[in-house]
Amino acid sequence: SQQGEEDPQALSIQEGENATMNCSYKTSINNLQWYRQNSGRGLVHLILIRSNEREKHSGRLRVTLDTSKKSSSLLITASRAADTASYFCATSHSNTGNQFYFGTGTSLTVIP
Amino acid sequence: GAGVSQTPSNKVTEKGKYVELRCDPISGHTALYWYRQSLGQGPEFLIYFQGTGAADDSGLPNDRFFAVRPEGSVSTLKIQRTERGDSAVYLCASSFSLAGFNEQFFGPGTRLTVL
Repeated sequence: SQQGEEDPQALSIQEGENATMNCSYKTSINNLQWYRQNSGRGLVHLILIRSNEREKHSGRLRVTLDTSKKSSSLLITASRAADTASYFCATSHSNTGNQFYFGTGTSLTVIP
Repeated sequence: GAGVSQTPSNKVTEKGKYVELRCDPISGHTALYWYRQSLGQGPEFLIYFQGTGAADDSGLPNDRFFAVRPEGSVSTLKIQRTERGDSAVYLCASSFSLAGFNEQFFGPGTRLTVL
């Protein structure tokens, strides 16, 4: 399976702290995307990072990509209670074109 | 403009029945995806359309599942002879072009319960 795997499965932090989530995958990617899903809702796109990029920022979000280790991390700085959600990485692979493979997600709880 | 919409939001049916789930993508988006998400899992790819044609249907679990997009816009996912194991949230996403290189916009999903 080319499915990404997020780590940890669950994370609980205090408001204001930073949250780091990791994603590992198995085969070469075209790009990797991070999504957020609030309970009972659809997924919201956060950041896309291409295979030739190493780091991207968007507001309080920072994504890194290490293709040699086949891994990515999502850092949320100065977390807020509203960041409580599940976070998924999704990978697009060279050999499967337009399919996207989602991991099982990291459930983040930010305690006010 | 409006985002991706899916109807119905909830569908309860009995084992063996036929169901249709509808997706209205964002206007102008040529790529459309269907996913299935079970509790505690990430979305699982089912089928991808580029325009009217199913460019990749390798994720459909069996021949009870079928999807169409006759005019390159609205898509319908059809499930025949539903089974309890089909219960899940069915998500639709659209993208401006090849979703492998672009952001996907997701709808809120249809929660299917097969009794």
